Amino acid sequence: KAGVTQTPRYLIKTRGQQVTLSCSPISGHRSVSWYQQTPGQGLQFLFEYFSETQRNKGNFPGRFSGRQFSNSRSEMNVSTLELGDSALYLCASSLSGTDTYEQYFGPGTRLTVT
Amino acid sequence: GENVEQHPSTLSVQEGDSAVIKCTYSDSASNYFPWYKQELGKRPQLIIDIRSNVGEKKDQRIAVTLNKTAKHFSLHITETQPEDSAVYFCAAIPSRSSGDKLTFGTGTRLAVRP
Repeated sequence: KAGVTQTPRYLIKTRGQQVTLSCSPISGHRSVSWYQQTPGQGLQFLFEYFSETQRNKGNFPGRFSGRQFSNSRSEMNVSTLELGDSALYLCASSLSGTDTYEQYFGPGTRLTVT
Repeated sequence: GENVEQHPSTLSVQEGDSAVIKCTYSDSASNYFPWYKQELGKRPQLIIDIRSNVGEKKDQRIAVTLNKTAKHFSLHITETQPEDSAVYFCAAIPSRSSGDKLTFGTGTRLAVRP
């Protein structure tokens, strides 16, 4: 099976702009979670989508949003970018079955805000 | 919510020695504890995990132990090799009612000296 893929891999944006990142999960996986990774804050949970519904949300401002499509692909959007949004954005997919918890990460999108 | 603490933040060992990384969690309902290895510029890679109904799990040179009473779990790497050098993250998922939200520790940078 193909692994989790993310596009684009690198992005440079200016403060105030918005950005959309995409994540394609492993075939058959229904859950997609998004994480922000920074040197200072480590890996922080943004939100999780399951069957096109947001199932869980982290402590990020409303500028961060996401959605999931019927094929389980997910996008996240950040509006009104700030310098502090510069980070590696990782998505992870999982089967999320009755007794399955394993999450597998994509390569990430490196976002730089100038 | 869940809080995961990880120690040490850096660890340097001689090739062939053992390495131990420890994590504690706060939510007694947590039932899944994965460990991820992240090499420089790469995605986090799931290397081993343990469920709350198991005390220990081994996979070749890697083992994880869980003490539910004390709410801590540890990663043990034996016969370390230079390719084990990476940042290791522990994580926890509370009960399934919280979806698949992973709460991560702050990471341990392991350096294996040849």
